[in-house]
Amino acid sequence: GENVEQHPSTLSVQEGDSAVIKCTYSDSASNYFPWYKQELGKRPQLIIDIRSNVGEKKDQRIAVTLNKTAKHFSLHITETQPEDSAVYFCAASMRVTGTASKLTFGTGTRLQVTL
Amino acid sequence: AAGVIQSPRHLIKEKRETATLKCYPIPRHDTVYWYQQGPGQDPQFLISFYEKMQSDKGSIPDRFSAQQFSDYHSELNMSSLELGDSALYFCASSLGGGGLRAFFGQGTRLTVV
Repeated sequence: GENVEQHPSTLSVQEGDSAVIKCTYSDSASNYFPWYKQELGKRPQLIIDIRSNVGEKKDQRIAVTLNKTAKHFSLHITETQPEDSAVYFCAASMRVTGTASKLTFGTGTRLQVTL
Repeated sequence: AAGVIQSPRHLIKEKRETATLKCYPIPRHDTVYWYQQGPGQDPQFLISFYEKMQSDKGSIPDRFSAQQFSDYHSELNMSSLELGDSALYFCASSLGGGGLRAFFGQGTRLTVV
């Protein structure tokens, strides 16, 4: 089955700096890669996603890059703000028509944005 | 916009009791996933349903069962509860199966005492 590794486990940046979180996946059949932000005790919230036919996607201060050959993808947050502090999870899944294949999550990165 | 609704939000049960968690997906969503999340851990996949049929199965104990009903809501039934079952249980829904955007409910915090 799919295995997703995520690094670093904790990340502390100063407000205004950039943050980068990296993930690798094992199953070359995976073709969908979402990122979730989770605040303590709350639900994971989808913040951005990318499919395997795209190399990069950007949404305001957030961007995701995907390297299919190396089987890794990264989340980039620019101009970090205190409200960006949370746990971020990467995930991988595959789109197979007529099935509900699971999302496999990475182990999470706790991002702390300090003033 | 309507989101995924889970009930109850909090549940306290004693060991060996039974619990039923409910999930109401986003309207028109036909796919439901169940995840278990322990403190400081990533969500662990339990089971998924697409169009009312079980689709994928993860590390779900035999003591647990789930189904998706004709109105697409889903229920997770947990029997012979153990202390280790204490966790946050999330349901997520999507439209059209796996590999598509999945949105999570608020979760049910189950405490087994």
